[in-house]
Amino acid sequence: RKEVEQDPGPFNVPEGATVAFNCTYSNSASQSFFWYRQDCRKEPKLLMSVYSSGNEDGRFTAQLNRASQYISLLIRDSKLSDSATYLCVVNGGNNRLAFGKGNQVVVIP
Amino acid sequence: ETGVTQTPRHLVMGMTNKKSLKCEQHLGHNAMYWYKQSAKKPLELMFVYSLEERVENNSVPSRFSPECPNSSHLFLHLHTLQPEDSALYLCASSQDGGYSGNTIYFGEGSWLTVV
Repeated sequence: RKEVEQDPGPFNVPEGATVAFNCTYSNSASQSFFWYRQDCRKEPKLLMSVYSSGNEDGRFTAQLNRASQYISLLIRDSKLSDSATYLCVVNGGNNRLAFGKGNQVVVIP
Repeated sequence: ETGVTQTPRHLVMGMTNKKSLKCEQHLGHNAMYWYKQSAKKPLELMFVYSLEERVENNSVPSRFSPECPNSSHLFLHLHTLQPEDSALYLCASSQDGGYSGNTIYFGEGSWLTVV
């Protein structure tokens, strides 16, 4: 089983709609969880950390489900500028960060 | 503006060439990394340096040779590469002594094409 699994998509989202996607991880001992955003041909940048109680940053909400070993990201009121690949990042078995392949989001006018 | 800068941004090299990628971080971090990103694959960790010592080498072929002269600079020396080595090479840094948990910051990457 891969350390971090994501459905690559693409997720085609009408502008103004809500989109949500999950990421599953294999290491039950993982303690750190992040969502990174990567624009086309650019480097990944931290979008938000994911805390046990869930957290929100504007239109973005991240949640952690330890029992089922997944984290989720929800984007409300999608903007064209939200089009990007969202990378799930978890600290893996050797305590190094493991990256998923990413969820590609395309916001359509 | 990124706190991690990489040069060159684009590089085309032949299989017999020797070239180097350079990375500099201005964030005062103590750990630096090289990652490889190929099309349709997740980021692959290549090397980790913590306090200028290599703490991890993820079975990377010897044609890739890292060098960390100090905590702010990291190089990746390239020699006799193969076409399948063409990818985006990302340098990153963090303040965690080489262990995860803290935010990792990436440079803009070096696009490498091996012909």
